[in-house]
Amino acid sequence: DAGVTQSPTHLIKTRGQQVTLRCSPKSGHDTVSWYQQALGQGPQFIFQYYEEEERQRGNFPDRFSGHQFPNYSSELNVNALLLGDSALYLCASSWGTEAFFGQGTRLTVV
Amino acid sequence: GNSVTQMEGPVTLSEEAFLTINCTYTATGYPSLFWYVQYPGEGLQLLLKATKADDKGSNKGFEATYRKETTSFHLEKGSVQVSDSAVYFCALRARGGSNYKLTFGKGTLLTVNP
Repeated sequence: DAGVTQSPTHLIKTRGQQVTLRCSPKSGHDTVSWYQQALGQGPQFIFQYYEEEERQRGNFPDRFSGHQFPNYSSELNVNALLLGDSALYLCASSWGTEAFFGQGTRLTVV
Repeated sequence: GNSVTQMEGPVTLSEEAFLTINCTYTATGYPSLFWYVQYPGEGLQLLLKATKADDKGSNKGFEATYRKETTSFHLEKGSVQVSDSAVYFCALRARGGSNYKLTFGKGTLLTVNP
């Protein structure tokens, strides 16, 4: 079992650009959540997808959007990047109550 | 709203020392409580969990007891090892309604020296 896989592992973007991060859930998991972890902070919930719909959303602006595909994989899109968007982006998949996290994508905005 | 407060780090211990990392929470109702661990360069791994009052979660020598009266879920280990060096996060998931998200504390960096 490959677990939760995220791509890319590292990414550097310029302010104003757009970025897409990808996540493949653990086998058998139908729910995907995205979190932003700033340096030295705990992860902050962005949103969760279930059955290809956004089921819950955290306090993030509309620049953050997502998608879930029929195979349960997911994308996180961030438009009009700001310096403050630099962070580790974590994907978590679940089936039931326990969430399994990927290793994350380190996004640097310059 | 829901929140988690962890003791500030960093925490530095010698091998075989006793570890306590304090965690308190604010939530409506009775949330599920979790401890996650993050090793350098990796994602989060679930260490242990408790879903109701007085439950004790345990794993790899770590323990935490869900204390409703003090709204706490302190992490303990009797004898730490160098390999336990990591960042530890306390988290909660509120019950009911459309609450699916995990709310995390800021994390506590633990360094164990040989």
